[in-house]
Amino acid sequence: KQEVTQIPAALSVPEGENLVLNCSFTDSAIYNLQWFRQDPGKGLTSLLLIQSSQREQTSGRLNASLDKSSGRSTLYIAASQPGDSATYLCAVLGSNYKLTFGKGTLLTVNP
Amino acid sequence: EAGVAQSPRYKIIEKRQSVAFWCNPISGHATLYWYQQILGQGPKLLIQFQNNGVVDDSQLPKDRFSAERLKGVDSTLKIQPAKLEDSAVYLCASSRVGWETQYFGPGTRLLVL
Repeated sequence: KQEVTQIPAALSVPEGENLVLNCSFTDSAIYNLQWFRQDPGKGLTSLLLIQSSQREQTSGRLNASLDKSSGRSTLYIAASQPGDSATYLCAVLGSNYKLTFGKGTLLTVNP
Repeated sequence: EAGVAQSPRYKIIEKRQSVAFWCNPISGHATLYWYQQILGQGPKLLIQFQNNGVVDDSQLPKDRFSAERLKGVDSTLKIQPAKLEDSAVYLCASSRVGWETQYFGPGTRLLVL
């Protein structure tokens, strides 16, 4: 059974800092890994999707890496802004096309 | 392109009552998912449809939860009777095919008193 763990559970940083969110998964037989953002009272917004054959994806100030063999992914956020405050969820798509989520990291960026 | 639509957005019921949620996926998306997200947890898949057929319902509490996807488009999720532990956000998502990006609706917040 796939298990996804996210560390830290919560993170508070001052505006402008670069930060890293971590995700680990137990079963390396995955199709892809996604990072989502969830704002309070809202649904999930997909930020980055990394296929199992890829090592990283970039979008603006966000960079996600994937090391499938070690079961790890990181989400790097450069020059953080108060608008980045949200919960960030990591999810892996398994061979049965089932998406398994971590519990998320609650990020607060202080002005 | 319109996103995934869900209704209602909020629902408060008493335990043992029934409730139903509705989802309209993105046009052309064959795969539809219902997730349950309890406060402080990541979403948990309840049921996955491919067109109007069920692909995975292994985590659906079938004694009280049921779901259907009418004509391979809209879907409804029903809880009957509701328990206190069913209080959660119910998220609907859709994708063109099973291995592509899933797009999520805003969710329905259910509070069971």
